[in-house]
Amino acid sequence: SQTIHQWPATLVQPVGSPLSLECTVEGTSNPNLYWYRQAAGRGLQLLFYSVGIGQISSEVPQNLSASRPQDRQFILSSKKLLLSDSGFYLCAWTQGLVTEAFFGQGTRLTVV
Amino acid sequence: AQSVTQLDSQVPVFEEAPVELRCNYSSSVSVYLFWYVQYPNQGLQLLLKYLSGSTLVESINGFEAEFNKSQTSFHLRKPSVHISDTAEYFCAVKLIGAGNMLTFGGGTRLMVKP
Repeated sequence: SQTIHQWPATLVQPVGSPLSLECTVEGTSNPNLYWYRQAAGRGLQLLFYSVGIGQISSEVPQNLSASRPQDRQFILSSKKLLLSDSGFYLCAWTQGLVTEAFFGQGTRLTVV
Repeated sequence: AQSVTQLDSQVPVFEEAPVELRCNYSSSVSVYLFWYVQYPNQGLQLLLKYLSGSTLVESINGFEAEFNKSQTSFHLRKPSVHISDTAEYFCAVKLIGAGNMLTFGGGTRLMVKP
């Protein structure tokens, strides 16, 4: 069966520090991968999605970037965090024959 | 482009009362429809989905949703809620035959009071 791992679960980082959040999927190949953010009191905002290795689409311009170095690995990064980057970050995957998206457990990022 | 609107950001309700969480969507093509539930500090879990066939779909924990094509709605209902149903609920749509991306509504926080 397929599983999705996301880490770390919580993270407190100072303003101006770098960020790296990792997401890996097991049990499937060539998934579509997504990074979402949930700010306090707001819904899900799609940040990035990827349909294959090295292929990244950005939905909103911001202080973050994403990379997909391997088929089932998706990384969210920042060179310098801002206070406004605080939120709950969710990784998800879909695949052609599967209709719904599957989510990781999320990372709670607090920028201080 | 498709969009999803969840009209209520918060729904307070007493335990054992019925509840309806509203979801409307807009799309120029046919869609699949989903409801997800999110408990505090957790990821989203699929609650139920409509793909085709019967317009009334049910989950294992007593929720149901009905697809209404003419009103482009997919409202979620439960006849009697429990404290444990307190969570955030997200409605989502996926265009049929147009990629794998889901579009989510803004979410509805269901707060069940004793």
